[in-house]
Amino acid sequence: EPEVTQTPSHQVTQMGQEVILRCVPISNHLYFYWYRQILGQKVEFLVSFYNNEISEKSEIFDDQFSVERPDGSNFTLKIRSTKLEDSAMYFCASSEGIQETQYFGPGTRLLVL
Amino acid sequence: AQTVTQSQPEMSVQEAETVTLSCTYDTSESDYYLFWYKQPPSRQMILVIRQEAYKQQNATENRFSVNFQKAAKSFSLKISDSQLGDAAMYFCAYRPMGGSNYKLTFGKGTLLTVNP
Repeated sequence: EPEVTQTPSHQVTQMGQEVILRCVPISNHLYFYWYRQILGQKVEFLVSFYNNEISEKSEIFDDQFSVERPDGSNFTLKIRSTKLEDSAMYFCASSEGIQETQYFGPGTRLLVL
Repeated sequence: AQTVTQSQPEMSVQEAETVTLSCTYDTSESDYYLFWYKQPPSRQMILVIRQEAYKQQNATENRFSVNFQKAAKSFSLKISDSQLGDAAMYFCAYRPMGGSNYKLTFGKGTLLTVNP
């Protein structure tokens, strides 16, 4: 069964450094998403992406964040200058259509020191 | 703004027994989707079940079923014949239907323990 994959599974970085989190959505899916989950808290929406542009973003998704689909398979989340409070689990998701179910990847656990 | 509330931070059940997890939500929309996702210790979010608000029939998926009460804005998950592998954090989620609404709104989750 096709699934969303994410790399790396864990990332440790120093405050102020840039990180890129990578996702490979399910191949026939057209809509892509990033969510994050700070430890012990609820899962929060960050951004959705369709047709090579952002379709919706939350207030969390400020100028330090960016997303990109650099080729036909990868979908990346870049955090330009990481802060301590960016430490969280980051989930990528994809869906076939806007009304279809979102399927999640296994997540990347980011720790900012 | 839509909100999702899970009032049970933790629940436990004996193996082979039945447990019900509660979820309520607040929305002014008439058409929407509701979901239950499971997050085992591996932390991956796995879809358990999905319900369209326009459908009166409650969704079922093997041992998992929901009790959807639209007027009460309630969406509970029933797990029958609980298995050790059902132990996980369970999240209720909401998403409007139509328009350009993309995001899922999640509740805080219910941690389910299954006792052998």
